[in-house]
Amino acid sequence: GIQVEQSPPDLILQEGANSTLRCNFSDSVNNLQWFHQNPWGQLINLFYIPSGTKQNGRLSATTVATERYSLLYISSSQTTDSGVYFCAVADSWGKLQFGAGTQVVVTP
Amino acid sequence: DAGVTQSPTHLIKTRGQQVTLRCSPKSGHDTVSWYQQALGQGPQFIFQYYEEEERQRGNFPDRFSGHQFPNYSSELNVNALLLGDSALYLCASSSSFPFSGRAGDTQYFGPGTRLTVL
Repeated sequence: GIQVEQSPPDLILQEGANSTLRCNFSDSVNNLQWFHQNPWGQLINLFYIPSGTKQNGRLSATTVATERYSLLYISSSQTTDSGVYFCAVADSWGKLQFGAGTQVVVTP
Repeated sequence: DAGVTQSPTHLIKTRGQQVTLRCSPKSGHDTVSWYQQALGQGPQFIFQYYEEEERQRGNFPDRFSGHQFPNYSSELNVNALLLGDSALYLCASSSSFPFSGRAGDTQYFGPGTRLTVL
């Protein structure tokens, strides 16, 4: 199956800082999603981004499908950005393969 | 527009017991998948239901079974519970099967059921 690797595993940021999270995948995909898991466990959809670049407020994502990686950018981080960020890729039948996640802590 | 809902929120069981978790998909969605998330790990795919049939299954034993109803809601059943079954169980829904590569393939997750096995 497809392997998904995320880096870094942990990230500590001061409020207002910018950061980049990376997701590498082992095979070509036509479906990639970024999620934010809050402290209560809810997985919140951030982006559906099989290719190209999207922006939503202070967050943006870029997927370069030909090079098998995706990047999630957090700008002007806030304490509410804390949590675990997952990328996940799906096979043609919809089974999502998740990475191990990046634990982000934003300090005041 | 209601999102994905799951019940119960929390559950405590003892080894050997059986448990049933429930999921209602997002309005307009007809495909339901279940995932298990152990502490500190990413979610792992259990199985997927479409048109009341199991379409895909992950690497989970037969103790894990499921069902999808005509209204697209779903149940996850786990028999003979083990301590290692303690986890957050997540349900996800989507509106296309199989995937088409379009934005409609986006899967949306419920809040999860936290199962503790003592």
